[in-house]
Amino acid sequence: KNQVEQSPQSLIILEGKNCTLQCNYTVSPFSNLRWYKQDTGRGPVSLTIMTFSENTKSNGRYTATLDADTKQSSLHITASQLSDSASYICVVSEASGTYKYIFGTGTRLKVLA
Amino acid sequence: NAGVTQTPKFRVLKTGQSMTLLCAQDMNHEYMYWYRQDPGMGLRLIHYSVGEGTTAKGEVPDGYNVSRLKKQNFLLGLESAAPSQTSVYFCASSYSTVALAYEQYFGPGTRLTVT
Repeated sequence: KNQVEQSPQSLIILEGKNCTLQCNYTVSPFSNLRWYKQDTGRGPVSLTIMTFSENTKSNGRYTATLDADTKQSSLHITASQLSDSASYICVVSEASGTYKYIFGTGTRLKVLA
Repeated sequence: NAGVTQTPKFRVLKTGQSMTLLCAQDMNHEYMYWYRQDPGMGLRLIHYSVGEGTTAKGEVPDGYNVSRLKKQNFLLGLESAAPSQTSVYFCASSYSTVALAYEQYFGPGTRLTVT
């Protein structure tokens, strides 16, 4: 069964610190992997999209990595800010003829002053 | 551009009532989607559309119907609401299939409670 698992479920860090969120997937055949940020009460907003041939992609203080061999991805947040407090969702697309897009349950990050 | 908008933002229904959620996008996207988000679960696809006049079932379509009469609008209907349909509903759109790594844009969500 195709799955996307994220860890940790929740994380608390101090402002200015770095953190790394993990995503493991079993989706096959793989097409692309996305990281979304979802603020409380809002819709998800895309941070990065990576295809199987890409292993790193950055968006400001957010850097995503992808290892398609081990089926793992990480999202690294540098110099965290209070506004980084949100849920971060990993999403994997199948490369099949029909639409298939599998969402992880997210990591809830809280940045404290 | 307003992006993806959803109407209403909140709604409370009694069991058995019906309602329609409206999604509109101004980005001329072909693909539109309806998801539901429940605590402790990832977003799940209810129905989607690959173009005006077309709809298809997603992962959890039972109890819902959809229509895409105009390219910019995607309607989600609940004919007879049940407490199990209490959820946050998100609409999204994309230029083409996300399997080709096209960006997907989400609306702000509709919080529905069925009592």
